[in-house]
Amino acid sequence: GENVEQHPSTLSVQEGDSAVIKCTYSDSASNYFPWYKQELGKGPQLIIDIRSNVGEKKDQRIAVTLNKTAKHFSLHITETQPEDSAVYFCAASKSNTGKLIFGQGTTLQVKP
Amino acid sequence: NAGVMQNPRHLVRRRGQEARLRCSPMKGHSHVYWYRQLPEEGLKFMVYLQKENIIDESGMPKERFSAEFPKEGPSILRIQQVVRGDSAAYFCASSPPGGVEQFFGPGTRLTVL
Repeated sequence: GENVEQHPSTLSVQEGDSAVIKCTYSDSASNYFPWYKQELGKGPQLIIDIRSNVGEKKDQRIAVTLNKTAKHFSLHITETQPEDSAVYFCAASKSNTGKLIFGQGTTLQVKP
Repeated sequence: NAGVMQNPRHLVRRRGQEARLRCSPMKGHSHVYWYRQLPEEGLKFMVYLQKENIIDESGMPKERFSAEFPKEGPSILRIQQVVRGDSAAYFCASSPPGGVEQFFGPGTRLTVL
């Protein structure tokens, strides 16, 4: 069935360093890949997304890359700040279905 | 423009009671999705609704769970005869017609005693 694997499960970096989170998906028909940030006690917040007709997308300090052949996509956060500390989820969907399949999440800790 | 609203934020029920969770989508959004998040886990899709229609309920447990999105009013996720295993955070998301981005509400944290 549809599956999204996310690694690592935890990531600790020093403030100012970069953080990379990777996901692989199983359904080759997936064409929409959002990333969410979830802070404790809150709902997931959409931070960036990418569609299958694009290989890379950037928004200030965050970027996402997609390799359709290998069926994996990654989130890159540069110049990390303590407020980037949260749980990050990747997801995949086929845009005509609406159903998001989520990865297991990555707990990012940015140490001051 | 208010975001997705969910209430109650916290709900405590005893085993065997009913839980009703409400979700008001963002203004202009006609698509609603419900997800469940167990402690220390990711979000699992439950159901996708449009006004007065269930589009995909492939993630809904076969018994005790139901969802609706009436023509007027919020979407309701209803859990009958709750059990301890239903304790989780339930999130609602909405998207506009023709859009794929899903925006999440703050969630309802259900505790079954």
